[in-house]
Amino acid sequence: KQEVTQIPAALSVPEGENLVLNCSFTDSAIYNLQWFRQDPGKGLTSLLLIQSSQREQTSGRLNASLDKSSGRSTLYIAASQPGDSATYLCASGAGSYQLTFGKGTKLSVIP
Amino acid sequence: GAVVSQHPSWVICKSGTSVKIECRSLDFQATTMFWYRQFPKQSLMLMATSNEGSKATYEQGVEKDKFLINHASLTLSTLTVTSAHPEDSSFYICSARGVSTTDTQYFGPGTRLTVL
Repeated sequence: KQEVTQIPAALSVPEGENLVLNCSFTDSAIYNLQWFRQDPGKGLTSLLLIQSSQREQTSGRLNASLDKSSGRSTLYIAASQPGDSATYLCASGAGSYQLTFGKGTKLSVIP
Repeated sequence: GAVVSQHPSWVICKSGTSVKIECRSLDFQATTMFWYRQFPKQSLMLMATSNEGSKATYEQGVEKDKFLINHASLTLSTLTVTSAHPEDSSFYICSARGVSTTDTQYFGPGTRLTVL
């Protein structure tokens, strides 16, 4: 059974700092790896999707990498802003399109 | 594009009553919909997968007679929590995937259920 772990559980950084969020998964036979953002009491917003054959994806200030062999993914956020404050979830995708989520990293960007 | 809505956004009910939550894909046809449950400070846990026109597939430990899922059309799936109890209080989120959206799942805004 796939298990997804995210470290740290919470992170607080000053505005403008670059940061990295970590995600690890136990079963490397994944179909894809996705990063989501969740604001308090809200649903999920998809940020980046990396197919199993890809190494990374970029969108604006966000860059996600995937290393299947080591079972790890990272989300890099450049020049953080207070509006980036949210919980970031990573999820591994199976061939049946089912997703296994980590517990998330709660990010606080201090002005 | 690719918007998913949920209704209601929150609901409070008495123990023993049934609650229906709707999940709609507004601008695409959802061949597959997923229902998740999220307890405070926990990850989203998949409850069931439903394909239009067929019975839902439930994850281990999820009671199919308690959580009734109907996916009668390509734009609507419903989750009915029957005889709800306080331990069913949670945040329920649906997601939808369509043929045109390939691997991406689009998530609804969630429904907060509180059972008194």
